[in-house]
Amino acid sequence: QVQLVQSGAEVKKPGASVKVSCKASGYTFTSYDINWVRQATGQGLEWMGWMNPNSGNTGYAQKFQGRVTMTRSTSISTAYMELSSLRSEDTAVYYCARAPGLGYGMDVWGQGTTVTVSS
Amino acid sequence: QSVLTQPPSASGTPGQRVPISCSGSSSNIGSNPVNWYQQLPGTAPKLLIYYNNQRPSGVPDRFSGSKSGTSASLAISGLQSEDEADYYCAAWDDSLNGVVFGGGTKLTVL
Repeated sequence: QVQLVQSGAEVKKPGASVKVSCKASGYTFTSYDINWVRQATGQGLEWMGWMNPNSGNTGYAQKFQGRVTMTRSTSISTAYMELSSLRSEDTAVYYCARAPGLGYGMDVWGQGTTVTVSS
Repeated sequence: QSVLTQPPSASGTPGQRVPISCSGSSSNIGSNPVNWYQQLPGTAPKLLIYYNNQRPSGVPDRFSGSKSGTSASLAISGLQSEDEADYYCAAWDDSLNGVVFGGGTKLTVL
């Protein structure tokens, strides 16, 4: 079946970086964009950016420009999201989600990865 | 402060019809399709409505979406207890060059 499986929970210190993976299966990885969305506890959804796995092209929300990098490995159908200079406000659940293109509905979501930033 | 505006809460009794509004601007809802997501407690969001009013396979026809100008609406008819969840609208924003979400509406089934 079509699914996105994310890496496990992470605990990081302020100033560190975190890299979350998202492994796709059940479909052609390069045929759908991968979006990253995060959600702090008790808060709403926040879009971080997108990546086209075929071209490697990316687009990031202004808030995260300079701190986020989205990459992929097509050989293992896996997308990555790296966030640097972590601060306590980055503590959240991070989701990857696929979409047919920019602005299209995200129809398959990963299970989420909890990132905790604490000294 | 979310770019798209939703009421923080909504409620209804079983069997009722409940609307959830989503207000935006010309750079997002006014010029791009709206998608709706349902998030049950402790789970990942699920696509409920795409391209304003289309239902993915498996979504009951009790859920419907509409759009007019810079506003959109999700309607849930024949409300059921399992519909208790958070609902989010989203759209591409041409000015921000990214996806914007509403703040979410918590639906309570009384």
